[in-house]
Amino acid sequence: DAGVTQSPTHLIKTRGQQVTLRCSPKSGHDTVSWYQQALGQGPQFIFQYYEEEERQRGNFPDRFSGHQFPNYSSELNVNALLLGDSALYLCASSETGGANTGELFFGEGSRLTVL
Amino acid sequence: AQSVTQLGSHVSVSEGALVLLRCNYSSSVPPYLFWYVQYPNQGLQLLLKYTTGATLVKGINGFEAEFKKSETSFHLTKPSAHMSDAAEYFCAVRKPNQGGKLIFGQGTELSVKP
Repeated sequence: DAGVTQSPTHLIKTRGQQVTLRCSPKSGHDTVSWYQQALGQGPQFIFQYYEEEERQRGNFPDRFSGHQFPNYSSELNVNALLLGDSALYLCASSETGGANTGELFFGEGSRLTVL
Repeated sequence: AQSVTQLGSHVSVSEGALVLLRCNYSSSVPPYLFWYVQYPNQGLQLLLKYTTGATLVKGINGFEAEFKKSETSFHLTKPSAHMSDAAEYFCAVRKPNQGGKLIFGQGTELSVKP
C-alpha cells in the first residue's frame, strides 16, 4: 500500500520564478493538506483540499495556490518566489474531510531552495 | 487562537533513561492533541493522539502521553530511551471540526547518548 508520495524531492529556483509541487495521497484518502516547514521550525498549515475545492486556508499570501484533481492528487503552486519561501513542503492526506480521527499521513516532502 | 509551546528545543538523555518532552497548548475549545516524530530527511509519523476518552494515551515505540486539562499540557514520555529514538518531535493541536489544520509546536530535538 503506497503511502503519500511527493515530487520532486528537491528543487532549486531563483527569486521571481514559479514552482509546482505534486502530491499523491495514500490509497483510500480523498483529502489533501499542504504544510510549509522552514528550517528549524514546526510545519505551518497552508491549505486543505477536499472534493477539488480549497476548504481551509492558513495565513499564507495569494502567491500560494493549489489544485486537487478528480483522482484526489494535488498540486501546490507558488508564484513570484521569495528567498523566504525556501522550506520543506509537506503534503498530508486523510480520510474524508479530515475525519474525527484527525490522523494525517505525511509524505517525505519536497525541499525547495530559492536563490 | 490556538497555539502550542514545546519547552526545550533540545533534550539529551542517556540510553535507558526516561524521556520527557514537554508540550503546553492553548485553545478556546477542547482540542485534539497529537505527537509526531520526524527522522532526518523524512516526513512526519504519528506517535499518538488524544481525541476523547482516556487521558493517558499509548502510542507506538513505547511512547505515551497524558492529557491534563487543568494544566493545558500533553507531555510525551518513554520509560527507557533507545538510540533509535533520536529524532525531532512535534506536538500539535487542532479543533475537532478542522480536520486538516494542525497547529504545530516548534519541535524538540531528542538526542540519545550511549
